Amino acid sequence: GENVEQHPSTLSVQEGDSAVIKCTYSDSASNYFPWYKQELGKGPQLIIDIRSNVGEKKDQRIAVTLNKTAKHFSLHITETQPEDSAVYFCAASIAGNQFYFGTGTSLTVIP
Amino acid sequence: SAVISQKPSRDICQRGTSLTIQCQVDSQVTMMFWYRQQPGQSLTLIATANQGSEATYESGFVIDKFPISRPNLTFSTLTVSNMSPEDSSIYLCSVKDGMGWYGYTFGSGTRLTVV
Repeated sequence: GENVEQHPSTLSVQEGDSAVIKCTYSDSASNYFPWYKQELGKGPQLIIDIRSNVGEKKDQRIAVTLNKTAKHFSLHITETQPEDSAVYFCAASIAGNQFYFGTGTSLTVIP
Repeated sequence: SAVISQKPSRDICQRGTSLTIQCQVDSQVTMMFWYRQQPGQSLTLIATANQGSEATYESGFVIDKFPISRPNLTFSTLTVSNMSPEDSSIYLCSVKDGMGWYGYTFGSGTRLTVV
């Protein structure tokens, strides 16, 4: 089955700096890659996703890149703000079916 | 996207007892999913709950330990039976926001501590 690895497990950045979280996947058939943000005491929320037919997708300060050949994808957050502090999960799936989640990255933005 | 109400939000239970977690969705959905999130860990799918049929359990999870009900298209329950401290986790219900490519919407979770 699919195996998703996520790095780093913890990340601290100064407010205004950029944050990058990386994930790799093992199943070349995976073609849908969502990212989730989980704030303390809440369930994960979808923040951005990408399909395998594009290499990059951007939504304001958040972007995701995908390298199908290398089987890795990354989340980029620019101009970080304290409210970006949360745990971020990547996931991989085939056409939006069963999701395989990474182990999460705890992001802390230092004011 | 769907709005999910999950209850209770947290509970502390004695070992050997059972806890039933409820998940209510504001729209009709075909499939509901139950996840476990152990402390500092990722999300692990426990089972998929289909209305009108038995739930489908993932490897390592059994019906006797995690019985699931799905009486209609907007509601499901997960019971954690005969609890031990190893069952201390966050339990999350989830639904697909649409067919195919769409991501999941998650409830706010139930933080269970077994003492």
